[in-house]
Amino acid sequence: EVQLLESGGDLVQPGGSVRLSCAASGFTFNTYAMSWVRQAPGKGLEWVSTISGGRSTNYADFVRGRFTISRDNSKSTLYLQMNSLTVGDTAIFYCARLLGGSGCYDYWGQGTLVTVSS
Amino acid sequence: DIQMTQSPSSLSASVGNRITITCRASQGISNSLAWYQQKPGKAPKLVLYAASTLKSGVPSRFSGSGSGTDFTLTISSLQPEDFATYYCQQSHSAAWTFGQGTKVEIK
Repeated sequence: EVQLLESGGDLVQPGGSVRLSCAASGFTFNTYAMSWVRQAPGKGLEWVSTISGGRSTNYADFVRGRFTISRDNSKSTLYLQMNSLTVGDTAIFYCARLLGGSGCYDYWGQGTLVTVSS
Repeated sequence: DIQMTQSPSSLSASVGNRITITCRASQGISNSLAWYQQKPGKAPKLVLYAASTLKSGVPSRFSGSGSGTDFTLTISSLQPEDFATYYCQQSHSAAWTFGQGTKVEIK
């Protein structure tokens, strides 16, 4: 059974940093591209970043230069290092697995909440 | 970025009704479109991808169509478990984007 378990969400001050983790199981992690998608409270879904199995990366313009996606295939874990956080970054962050080359997400974690507030 | 616009933003319907949700892209995206269902407090779930391909295990009352800029998600006979918010998502450009969501409520 595919499982994605996020952790690391926290209350941080504006300008602060946090690192999210997503532990994957039930599939061959290194053969799948993975993404982070966020959802502000009461709002819609917003793509944040994607990393391929080979570690090539892509970012939404609003996080480029502040967030870094990475993965440790030996640990089947996805990461998102988030720096220079603003109140606007407050959201539930989901990790999600890409379905082959289809450009969509077939499995999602339960999400982890990042709250940016002073 | 490609903007995705869903309509309506919300709708009320009864069990057994047929409903259609529309998603329009600001530029052509071929068939690079997926639909997700999200219930309160839960992660989204994939319903359809490549505009019209049903994810394995999703009931056949769900269907999708469209190509280019205009797409639809249809539920042929609403069931109680279908009341949720639905999002479209494009993957044609490097920056993937979602629609703003359509909330399907019980009438």
